[in-house]
Amino acid sequence: AQKVTQAQTEISVVEKEDVTLDCVYETRDTTYYLFWYKQPPSGELVFLIRRNSFDEQNEISGRYSWNFQKSTSSFNFTITASQVVDSAVYFCALSPYSGAGSYQLTFGKGTKLSVIP
Amino acid sequence: DSGVTQTPKHLITATGQRVTLRCSPRSGDLSVYWYQQSLDQGLQFLIQYYNGEERAKGNILERFSAQQFPDLHSELNLSSLELGDSALYFCASSATSGTYNEQFFGPGTRLTVL
Repeated sequence: AQKVTQAQTEISVVEKEDVTLDCVYETRDTTYYLFWYKQPPSGELVFLIRRNSFDEQNEISGRYSWNFQKSTSSFNFTITASQVVDSAVYFCALSPYSGAGSYQLTFGKGTKLSVIP
Repeated sequence: DSGVTQTPKHLITATGQRVTLRCSPRSGDLSVYWYQQSLDQGLQFLIQYYNGEERAKGNILERFSAQQFPDLHSELNLSSLELGDSALYFCASSATSGTYNEQFFGPGTRLTVL
């Protein structure tokens, strides 16, 4: 069974602060995919990033960066110089690598980020 | 805009009733996934269809069923509704199921059961 844990339920930061959202996962699969999604107050799910389990390179995209560490089963997400528009619920998710062609996502409970001006 | 459409956007109904949620995938996408987002359970996978056939099942109740039609749109049928079925229901589509392809999420249908 797969499991994703986001221990931080809510985080508040002041604008321009850096913030890291934690994600720990459990899986028996040797190959899998990890994701981060953003859900703003409007409710839609916005894809942010996908990582393959065999690619442990960290990634930076603008103010966003992701730290994948297979040894600790973690996939943490850092927002640098946070902005009010970053206020949202962020979900970490896990998908198997499936030869059967099913890639259902297992989501964490989400972390609600509030950026205060 | 992800290109995935869901109707209706909001649905209010009473306990015991039956509703149908509709999803139109992105043009050319063969795979449709349904997810439920509730306060109690969070976001969870319900069921996947690929080119008209059921491909995977998650935590879907027996009162719920789905299908995918020849034009690839999908419907999620919820019957004998209970208060706890109140949730945001998302569908997502992806191009193929042979190798990984991104899932694009629709805007969701918010179901309220009174």
